Amino acid sequence: QQQVKQSPQSLIVQKGGIPIINCAYENTAFDYFPWYQQFPGKGPALLIAIRPDVSEKKEGRFTISFNKSAKQFSLHIMDSQPGDSATYFCAASAASYDKVIFGPGTSLSVIP
Amino acid sequence: NAGVTQTPKFQVLKTGQSMTLQCAQDMNHEYMSWYRQDPGMGLRLIHYSVGAGITDQGEVPNGYNVSRSTTEDFPLRLLSAAPSQTSVYFCASSRPSLSGNTIYFGEGSWLTVV
Repeated sequence: QQQVKQSPQSLIVQKGGIPIINCAYENTAFDYFPWYQQFPGKGPALLIAIRPDVSEKKEGRFTISFNKSAKQFSLHIMDSQPGDSATYFCAASAASYDKVIFGPGTSLSVIP
Repeated sequence: NAGVTQTPKFQVLKTGQSMTLQCAQDMNHEYMSWYRQDPGMGLRLIHYSVGAGITDQGEVPNGYNVSRSTTEDFPLRLLSAAPSQTSVYFCASSRPSLSGNTIYFGEGSWLTVV
């Protein structure tokens, strides 16, 4: 019940496309859903996060969509660029002070 | 502001050897943790600490020890290295708040056990 599922494992899109990465969870106590971005040879870094009281959050070209009833959330990258090529992790935690559980990651390649 | 600093960046060990991965943070965060990253497995929590003198096991603790004598430092010890411990290790720190628990990661330590 602590698991966070993520798909697809890898994704290739052309520049300007809109890659979508999907995540699902089982634990209804989760109330914080961050996305982390990791470039090769670097540690992950927080990209954007959402709480379950809203259905969508936008920051620049990145949007999280959240469906509480389906226990699913997704990351959309508008007008994707080659510089967005990275591994993306969704995550979830049950409370501000609880451990963060990560999905297995999605390797995104944006080709020119 | 250095954030989370890990050393060494790369290390090759022989099976059975022991070593310590060092981690230090300068953000005065209460929480520190160690993750390992393996292809297709994501980030798996090894051990974590919610403050000096307090540690607990994560998802994959076997073969690893930690201690937290200060707020700043959280070393990870491999007791008797095995090839299955070949991985990339990330140290992280955070200060949970009502708005969420943002984790700050180090740049990683690449460990190969032969």
